[in-house]
Amino acid sequence: AQSVTQPDIHITVSEGASLELRCNYSYGATPYLFWYVQSPGQGLQLLLKYFSGDTLVQGIKGFEAEFKRSQSSFNLRKPSVHGSDAAEYFCAVGAGNTPLVFGKGTRLSVIA
Amino acid sequence: NAGVTQTPKFRVLKTGQSMTLLCAQDMNHEYMYWYRQDPGMGLRLIHYSVGEGTTAKGEVPDGYNVSRLKKQNFLLGLESAAPSQTSVYFCASSTGQWVLHFGNGTRLTVT
Repeated sequence: AQSVTQPDIHITVSEGASLELRCNYSYGATPYLFWYVQSPGQGLQLLLKYFSGDTLVQGIKGFEAEFKRSQSSFNLRKPSVHGSDAAEYFCAVGAGNTPLVFGKGTRLSVIA
Repeated sequence: NAGVTQTPKFRVLKTGQSMTLLCAQDMNHEYMYWYRQDPGMGLRLIHYSVGEGTTAKGEVPDGYNVSRLKKQNFLLGLESAAPSQTSVYFCASSTGQWVLHFGNGTRLTVT
């Protein structure tokens, strides 16, 4: 069965700084990989997804993620963070006929 | 389009009471899911459905039952609520298995 680890529970960055959120997965073959974002009091929204092909994928709100097979990673990046990016971010992995498995999430705080 | 609508938004129950959470989607999605979200635990899948009339257990199904009598609705039932079921419950739907559309959650407190 697949699993996903988000090593950072909470990250604080300054507005305008770059951001990288880490995600590592465990699965024997190439999985489908996702990042979702949850704003306070809201449900989750899809930021971006990787199915196959180009390992650098672009998402909404200026986010991108890079699939690195050798490291079993799918880290999320943004070159310049805004205050509105403060939220909780979830990495998820899909494989076979089983439902998505979510990581425990990384809470992002942004300081002005 | 409303997307995924969860009813109610908030609920307080006493231990032993029962209740049903309703999830409705207007996107004609085949797949529907119930998750619970607890601090530090991420989202854990309770039950899911791959089509009308079908249900399947997820990671944490004990104490919950579900029904999918109509394609657009997915009901989550608690027959005898326990304090351990205090959580935020999210419903989601999707056409395939992977791109989920979430509701805004139901915050349940069991005292």
